[in-house]
Amino acid sequence: DAMVIQNPRYQVTQFGKPVTLSCSQTLNHNVMYWYQQKSSQAPKLLFHYYDKDFNNEADTPDNFQSRRPNTSFCFLDIRSPGLGDAAMYLCATSRDFGTSGRNEQYFGPGTRLTVT
Amino acid sequence: QKEVEQNSGPLSVPEGAIASLNCTYSDQGSQSFFWYRQYSGKSPELIMFIYSNGDKEDGRFTAQLNKASQYVSLLIRDSQPSDSATYLCAVNIPPHAGNNRKLIWGLGTSLAVNP
Repeated sequence: DAMVIQNPRYQVTQFGKPVTLSCSQTLNHNVMYWYQQKSSQAPKLLFHYYDKDFNNEADTPDNFQSRRPNTSFCFLDIRSPGLGDAAMYLCATSRDFGTSGRNEQYFGPGTRLTVT
Repeated sequence: QKEVEQNSGPLSVPEGAIASLNCTYSDQGSQSFFWYRQYSGKSPELIMFIYSNGDKEDGRFTAQLNKASQYVSLLIRDSQPSDSATYLCAVNIPPHAGNNRKLIWGLGTSLAVNP
């Protein structure tokens, strides 16, 4: 089955210790997104890739970086995690249909990040 | 300020009843509307999308869109305890307002279906 996979599902890191989260997809979608979601909040978009074109959100801290080495994979790097970065990190993909906006986003299972 | 609003709930319905979830949005130019179901501790799951005015049915789910009134709703017929979750409404950013690959999210409505 075509799907979005995230690894690891749970990640514990120490304050200030870099961490990398990964996402892969078999849907062959050209858009990949990274979201942060905290308890009882809506998903918050950090950035997204349209093919290799990187789109950062204005309020995404510099502490968060991303790489997309190929169509299937995307990584989220948190350079110096703080306690406030503890959250669920969600990867999603969609197929872009131009200006129609008909880009259903499909989510992976998420990575729960704990910062100690 | 582009917004999507939902009642936070909790909305409580008995098993077998119809659950009605509502969402309003602020930008008239929005074109695409999505309903996601999210169980506690899990990721959002796309359950319905609708692009045209009117109703769209899929199994026990019906999405209703009224662009003139700027609302979209989700009806769940024959509600089951397994439908208990948070339902997130998401609306695309229209092209004139920016990157329409992005969604504006509501905070979600918590639904509890009681056996």
